[in-house]
Amino acid sequence: QSALTQPPSVSGTPGQRVTISCSGSTSNIGSNTVNWYQHLPGTAPKVLIYSNNQWPSGVPDRFSGSKSGTSASLAISGLQSEDEGDYYCVTWDDSLDGPVFGGGTKLTVL
Amino acid sequence: QVQLQESGPGLVKPSETLSLTCTVSGGSMTGYYWSWIRQPPGKGLEWIAYIYSSGKTNYNASLKSRVTISVDTSKNQFSLKLTSVTAADTAVYYCAKLEGGRTSRFDPWGQGTLVTVSS
Repeated sequence: QSALTQPPSVSGTPGQRVTISCSGSTSNIGSNTVNWYQHLPGTAPKVLIYSNNQWPSGVPDRFSGSKSGTSASLAISGLQSEDEGDYYCVTWDDSLDGPVFGGGTKLTVL
Repeated sequence: QVQLQESGPGLVKPSETLSLTCTVSGGSMTGYYWSWIRQPPGKGLEWIAYIYSSGKTNYNASLKSRVTISVDTSKNQFSLKLTSVTAADTAVYYCAKLEGGRTSRFDPWGQGTLVTVSS
């Protein structure tokens, strides 16, 4: 069981906005920055958001991240079929002394 | 632009040692952190270990007793050894560059290599 809790799945129709939550504790999200990864079928995971709400070069601003207290969230607006895949939050955990991943959320575009 | 590529046997027998190598191209390993992450079939991502170019290491506590990570900057490679493997160690293994110690930004990643533990 992961230290970070994500919903197993979310879904939306093209053009819609969806959000993926990531719940942790004071030893991880509460005291460290959160990164989000997109993992599309057959590809390597890719950084989508880093340091809670920053975009790496090349990532469209349809993706946005936020953090409050011991929770973080990823929002995807203008949903597209190519967004379908798995999304993971990850942060450092002071108690475990290492990075911890959320369990992952499967996004389905209906 | 840094690129990473995993290599190693795709099939390992139970109780034996899994050995993988990650070759880094397009940049120097010196001054950076390097990591291994895995994904069992149908499950999520799990961080395994990371190493600094100087050789300083950090391991996932749940795997620490069986894992060794090492680096050879002269060859631009770092490696993973996992002993006493079982079917639960079957996974896609990724290597990745880690932004820094006590961080969680892995970028870039290798394409991953599937390792199956089976007799």
